[in-house]
Amino acid sequence: DAKTTQPPSMDCAEGRAANLPCNHSTISGNEYVYWYRQIHSQGPQYIIHGLKNNETNEMASLIITEDRKSSTLILPHATLRDTAVYYCIVRVTGANSKLTFGKGITLSVRP
Amino acid sequence: GAGVSQTPSNKVTEKGKYVELRCDPISGHTALYWYRQSLGQGPEFLIYFQGTGAADDSGLPNDRFFAVRPEGSVSTLKIQRTERGDSAVYLCASSLQDRSDEQFFGPGTRLTVL
Repeated sequence: DAKTTQPPSMDCAEGRAANLPCNHSTISGNEYVYWYRQIHSQGPQYIIHGLKNNETNEMASLIITEDRKSSTLILPHATLRDTAVYYCIVRVTGANSKLTFGKGITLSVRP
Repeated sequence: GAGVSQTPSNKVTEKGKYVELRCDPISGHTALYWYRQSLGQGPEFLIYFQGTGAADDSGLPNDRFFAVRPEGSVSTLKIQRTERGDSAVYLCASSLQDRSDEQFFGPGTRLTVL
C-alpha cells in the first residue's frame, strides 16, 4: 500500500513554477521522501530525495515540512517537457528496498 | 553510457502461452528490480535481485511468474500459462549496491495477452 497521497492532477503555465504537493502523514523516522517522474511511454526517472532538510538539485527542489508529514516538489521554471506523472514515495534509503508507487499526480504544462 | 535496455519492446501472445522478457541492466549495477505497470496505475514491485539471488520476491503474483539472473547481470522474467490479466508494461530497473538512492529504469516491455 502506498504511504503517500497526491492530488490526481494539476496544471501550470510554461515558464512558471510548478508546486506538487504530497502528504505522508505516517512516515517513519528512517524513511526518506523520494520523487520520481514518468514521461509518457518511458520508464520512471529519479528526481530528488530528502529526509528532513530541504534539498535542491539541477532538476527540482524538495521542501519537507518540519513535522515531515508533507512535502512539496518544486519545478522552478516548468517547460512542456516536464509534462509527466510525478510520484511521491517514502522509502528507507540505503537498503536497496523496493519502490512503492501510488497513482501519482499528472502535471500538465500548458504553453 | 548505455542505460537499462529491455527486449522485446512489445510482445503479443495468446492466452496460455509462455513468454520471456529480458532486461539488460547498466554495467556494474548489482541490484536489479522488476515492476509491472497496468494502465492508469503506478508501477507495482515484482522481484528484486542482489547479484544472482532473489533478495525479495514478495511481489510475484503467483507461481506462474518466475525470474532469473544466473550471472548477476542480465535477467529474464518468465511467465507461464499467460492470462489476459497479465497484460501490462513490465519495467526493469537497476541500481548500484552502494548508491541505492536512485533506480534507473528501462523503457519497459508492453505485454499483450489476447
